Amino acid sequence: QSVVTQPPSASGTPGQRITISCSGSDFNIGSSFVTWYQQLPGAAPKLLIDRNFQRPSGVPDRFSASKSGTSASLAISGLQSEDEADYHCATWDVSLSAWVFGGGTKLTVL
Amino acid sequence: EVQLVESGGHLVQPGGSLRLSCAASGFTFSSSWMSWVRKAPGRGLEWVASIKHLGSETYSVGSMKGRFTISRDNAKNSLSLQMNSLRVEDTAVYYCASGDDFDYWGQGTLVTVSS
Repeated sequence: QSVVTQPPSASGTPGQRITISCSGSDFNIGSSFVTWYQQLPGAAPKLLIDRNFQRPSGVPDRFSASKSGTSASLAISGLQSEDEADYHCATWDVSLSAWVFGGGTKLTVL
Repeated sequence: EVQLVESGGHLVQPGGSLRLSCAASGFTFSSSWMSWVRKAPGRGLEWVASIKHLGSETYSVGSMKGRFTISRDNAKNSLSLQMNSLRVEDTAVYYCASGDDFDYWGQGTLVTVSS
């Protein structure tokens, strides 16, 4: 059981805007940064959003992230079939002195 | 182009040892944090360990301290993970990642711990 939780699944239709949540505590999200990763089927994870809410080169601006208190969110607008993947949030936990990942959210594009 | 290529994963018995390697290219290895992250079947990503640029500081998750040791050779652009006293629950794909935010990832190497 991770100290940071994500919904196990999410879904949307092409063109829709969806959000994926990442919930933690004052020891991690509440006092630290959050990063987001996309893992396409059969592939390695890829950095989607860095700790400064920036997208690495090549990541479409349809992807954005936000943080408020002890929660964070990844938003995907104009959903496309190629967005079907697992999405993982990560943060630094000051009490554990460790990076912690959410359990991942499997996004299905209907 | 950043490339990270892991090797060394295979089937090992519980209690055994394994050494994973990661060959890096396409960036200034000696200036980058390096890390190992694993993904067990049916579970989310799990951070294993990280090492600072010069190798003077290492960080690892509590459950693996004392069993897993991360190290690097900046002259060879190489990262390693020595894993001892392996347990069935250590079965996972192990990824090498570079950068402060796990900016780049290798394709992973599969470690299976089973009798």
